[in-house]
Amino acid sequence: GENVEQHPSTLSVQEGDSAVIKCTYSDSASNYFPWYKQELGKRPQLIIDIRSNVGEKKDQRIAVTLNKTAKHFSLHITETQPEDSAVYFCAASGYSSASKIIFGSGTRLSIRP
Amino acid sequence: GAGVSQSPRYKVAKRGQDVALRCDPISGHVSLFWYQQALGQGPEFLTYFQNEAQLDKSGLPSDRFFAERPEGSVSTLKIQRTQQEDSAVYLCASSFIQGGDQETQYFGPGTRLLVL
Repeated sequence: GENVEQHPSTLSVQEGDSAVIKCTYSDSASNYFPWYKQELGKRPQLIIDIRSNVGEKKDQRIAVTLNKTAKHFSLHITETQPEDSAVYFCAASGYSSASKIIFGSGTRLSIRP
Repeated sequence: GAGVSQSPRYKVAKRGQDVALRCDPISGHVSLFWYQQALGQGPEFLTYFQNEAQLDKSGLPSDRFFAERPEGSVSTLKIQRTQQEDSAVYLCASSFIQGGDQETQYFGPGTRLLVL
């Protein structure tokens, strides 16, 4: 089955700097890659997603890149702000609406003022 | 509109007790998923429903775990004879099917289960 590896497990950056989180997946059939943000005690919330027919997607300060050949995908957050502090999960899923999401182990992002 | 809701939000159970966790998906969402999230880990898939049909239960850790969605809306996850290792947050997610493509899964707030 699918396996998603995520690095780093913790990340501390200065406010205003960029943060990058990297993930790899094992199943070449996966073609949907969502990223979720989870604040302490709260539900996971989708912040951006990318499908395999696209190599990059951007939404304001957040961008995601996908390299299907290498089975790598990454999250980039620019101009980080204190409210970006949270745990971020990458995930991979198959093509259909019946496909379960396989999550990475998470990255705890801390923004230093 | 209303999001996915779950109840109870917190549940403390004595080892060996049965528990039932409820999920109300977003209205009109055909797909419903249950995930288990251990402390400090990512959510792990338990089971999936399309309407009332349970199409995938490969993630259920043992036969003590049972899920149902009899009318294709509300779902209940039942854990019999709870064990300490069942302590976790149980998340429910729902999504809409459109053209068969993967759609965003919207998560509920979770039920935090503590087994003593």
